[in-house]
Amino acid sequence: GENVEQHPSTLSVQEGDSAVIKCTYSDSASNYFPWYKQELGKGPQLIIDIRSNVGEKKDQRIAVTLNKTAKHFSLHITETQPEDSAVYFCAATIFGNEKLTFGTGTRLTIIP
Amino acid sequence: GAVVSQHPSRVICKSGTSVKIECRSLDFQATTMFWYRQFPKQSLMLMATSNEGSKATYEQGVEKDKFLINHASLTLSTLTVTSAHPEDSSFYICSARDGLNQPQHFGDGTRLSIL
Repeated sequence: GENVEQHPSTLSVQEGDSAVIKCTYSDSASNYFPWYKQELGKGPQLIIDIRSNVGEKKDQRIAVTLNKTAKHFSLHITETQPEDSAVYFCAATIFGNEKLTFGTGTRLTIIP
Repeated sequence: GAVVSQHPSRVICKSGTSVKIECRSLDFQATTMFWYRQFPKQSLMLMATSNEGSKATYEQGVEKDKFLINHASLTLSTLTVTSAHPEDSSFYICSARDGLNQPQHFGDGTRLSIL
């Protein structure tokens, strides 16, 4: 089955700087990679996703890049703000499949 | 759009009690709903997948008779933790999607505490 590794487990960034979270996956058949943001006591919220037919996707301050050959994908947050502080999870699956395989999560702290 | 509502948000009850958690898709029809369990500072672990009108598919190691799932309509799935014990205390989260090629959208979870 799919296995997703995520790094780092914790990340502290000065407000205004950029944050990068990296994930690797094992199943070359996976073709859909969503990113979720989870705030304390809440469920995960989808913030961006990418399919394997593109290498990069951007939505305002958030971008995701995908390297299919290396089987890794990354989340980039620019101009970080205090409200970006949360736990971020990457995930991988074959689009249309029932299951998402989640990474272990990254606790991002933005330092004012 | 794509709002998933989960109720209750928190429940505290005595050991041996059965607890029912509801998951509703508010603005779309959810052909498939998922139930996850999350321990503190850990990732989400899929418990089961439910499709409307059919039996749920449970992940390995998840007791079917312990965690009863019903998906009676396209907008409602329920998880009942039967005869709950302290080790069942956890954060339970549901998700739903409105089609085979659509992303999962999550509810805000239910914090279950068994005394």
